[in-house]
Amino acid sequence: QKEVEQNSGPLSVPEGAIASLNCTYSDRGSQSFFWYRQYSGKSPELIMSIYSNGDKEDGRFTAQLNKASQYVSLLIRDSQPSDSATYLCAVIRGSNYKLTFGKGTLLTVNP
Amino acid sequence: NAGVTQTPKFQVLKTGQSMTLQCAQDMNHNSMYWYRQDPGMGLRLIYYSASEGTTDKGEVPNGYNVSRLNKREFSLRLESAAPSQTSVYFCASKLTGQETQYFGPGTRLLVL
Repeated sequence: QKEVEQNSGPLSVPEGAIASLNCTYSDRGSQSFFWYRQYSGKSPELIMSIYSNGDKEDGRFTAQLNKASQYVSLLIRDSQPSDSATYLCAVIRGSNYKLTFGKGTLLTVNP
Repeated sequence: NAGVTQTPKFQVLKTGQSMTLQCAQDMNHNSMYWYRQDPGMGLRLIYYSASEGTTDKGEVPNGYNVSRLNKREFSLRLESAAPSQTSVYFCASKLTGQETQYFGPGTRLLVL
């Protein structure tokens, strides 16, 4: 089992809809979870971090963490064409702060 | 404040040639990282430096060497480039005690 798994997509949603991106991880000792957004040809940028079970909201973005199920998700409400990008899930295990990334999910928001 | 800068932006090498990818940050960050990104593979850690004077291997270190020249600069060297090293290389940095990594714009490397 890969350490961090994401559905590669592509995920296509209409403008204004909710986009749901999912990620599972294999190491129960993982303690910090991140969502990065990467536009085509650009570098990743952090959009959300979550450390404890439950939901964390920031504007149109909500991260959800369930450590028992080893599952983290990102919801994007009122999706806009500008949200079209690859979303990377990343996890930190241990104290050395090394990030392990999933392969990313390509999201396309159609006008 | 330029953040994380990388040079060159794009490079073409022939198999067996050597080159050094440069990375610098002006955010006074302690930790620096080198990743490679390949289609369908996500980002994979090559080497990292938790602080000036230290370096450690990541997930895919073979074929690479690194130098943490000072607090600002962290270079990645390919001694004898191979086509399998064709990739996009990203440098990142972060502050000790924080977990957010800031990425540079990337270097696209093509090895023929």
